[in-house]
Amino acid sequence: ILNVEQSPQSLHVQEGDSTNFTCSFPSSNFYALHWYRWETAKSPEALFVMTLNGDEKKKGRISATLNTKEGYSYLYIKGSQPEDSATYLCAFPPTGNQFYFGTGTSLTVIP
Amino acid sequence: GAVVSQHPSRVICKSGTSVKIECRSLDFQATTMFWYRQFPKQSLMLMATSNEGSKATYEQGVEKDKFLINHASLTLSTLTVTSAHPEDSSFYICSASGGGQYGYTFGSGTRLTVV
Repeated sequence: ILNVEQSPQSLHVQEGDSTNFTCSFPSSNFYALHWYRWETAKSPEALFVMTLNGDEKKKGRISATLNTKEGYSYLYIKGSQPEDSATYLCAFPPTGNQFYFGTGTSLTVIP
Repeated sequence: GAVVSQHPSRVICKSGTSVKIECRSLDFQATTMFWYRQFPKQSLMLMATSNEGSKATYEQGVEKDKFLINHASLTLSTLTVTSAHPEDSSFYICSASGGGQYGYTFGSGTRLTVV
């Protein structure tokens, strides 16, 4: 079983604040790193798939960076809004098919 | 976009009974379905992988006779928890390959409580 760690476990921020959290994964045999946004009672929604060291992807106010050599990815949210409240999961598929998930970062944005 | 419909979303059953969870891909053909479970404060853990028309592959420690998986068509996979016990209470979620922008689409999960 591969170790995928996310920190912090939970986060409360004020509306308008920017925030970031971390996903750490084994740096050997890297294939890809997935980020998901998961709202309660809904399906996890794919945000990004990152494959290249140094990759940076952006979707609106959310962006992510990747460092495959040291085994981490950061997810950034700029100007957090209440609708950003969700659990953010990262998943590491070392062979492309089987996913190993982190425990997620639960974000609450306070209006 | 690709959608996987998972039912039921929540089920409470008595110890010793069986529960069936369905995952249906609505607008794409799911060649492979992954079944995960999540215990409180833990990460999603893969239980088994099923390919349409063939037997599922179970992860180490997952009893294949207890968690029956059927993937009889390209749009439907089912997980049956047989003779459920309270320790089977968990969150179960499926993920289908073959759809979505990034190739994998999740269902919305099933919260199983065995009393």
